[in-house]
Amino acid sequence: ELKVEQNPLFLSMQEGKNYTIYCNYSTTSDRLYWYRQDPGKSLESLFVLLSNGAVKQEGRLMASLDTKARLSTLHITAAVHDLSATYFCAVDSNSGYSTLTFGKGTMLLVSP
Amino acid sequence: GAGVSQSPSNKVTEKGKDVELRCDPISGHTALYWYRQRLGQGLEFLIYFQGNSAPDKSGLPSDRFSAERTGESVSTLTIQRTQQEDSAVYLCASSLVYKNYGYTFGSGTRLTVV
Repeated sequence: ELKVEQNPLFLSMQEGKNYTIYCNYSTTSDRLYWYRQDPGKSLESLFVLLSNGAVKQEGRLMASLDTKARLSTLHITAAVHDLSATYFCAVDSNSGYSTLTFGKGTMLLVSP
Repeated sequence: GAGVSQSPSNKVTEKGKDVELRCDPISGHTALYWYRQRLGQGLEFLIYFQGNSAPDKSGLPSDRFSAERTGESVSTLTIQRTQQEDSAVYLCASSLVYKNYGYTFGSGTRLTVV
């Protein structure tokens, strides 16, 4: 059974600071996704990571994937209030019927 | 349509009643998924449809839950004899078979069982 663990589950940080969210998963996979969810809203796709060593950046967010370590990171640079949201990583199993398994999410609160 | 459409957006029902939730995926997306998100929790997989293949029902929590999909279009998730623990947001997502473009989620149906 594929398990996905995120940490931290809650992150309070000041504007301008940097931080990293970690996503570990338990079985082989080469597709990992990061999503953002604002309160009361659906999930917005941030990044799709498809291979070992993949790195993608959008604004102040950068995601990477290490399939050998079964680890993805979401790095936040110089945080701003607008980044406050819950961030989920999700991993596709490599089975024929592949479905996303989600981590529990990291609630990020950025304060002035 | 341009995105995944779900209806209703909110549903309040009495314990013991049946409810039906609807999902209209992105045109051309052959794969469709239902997830459940309890308050403050992550997403829990329920069921997966891929084209005309038999659905993967492995995530359905009990036999009170069922889902259907007509071809590669609309899907309905039915919960019979609702219980308070069924209260959650039910999210639908669709994708191309080639999942490298990711999954697109609908805005969800917030179900409250009173």
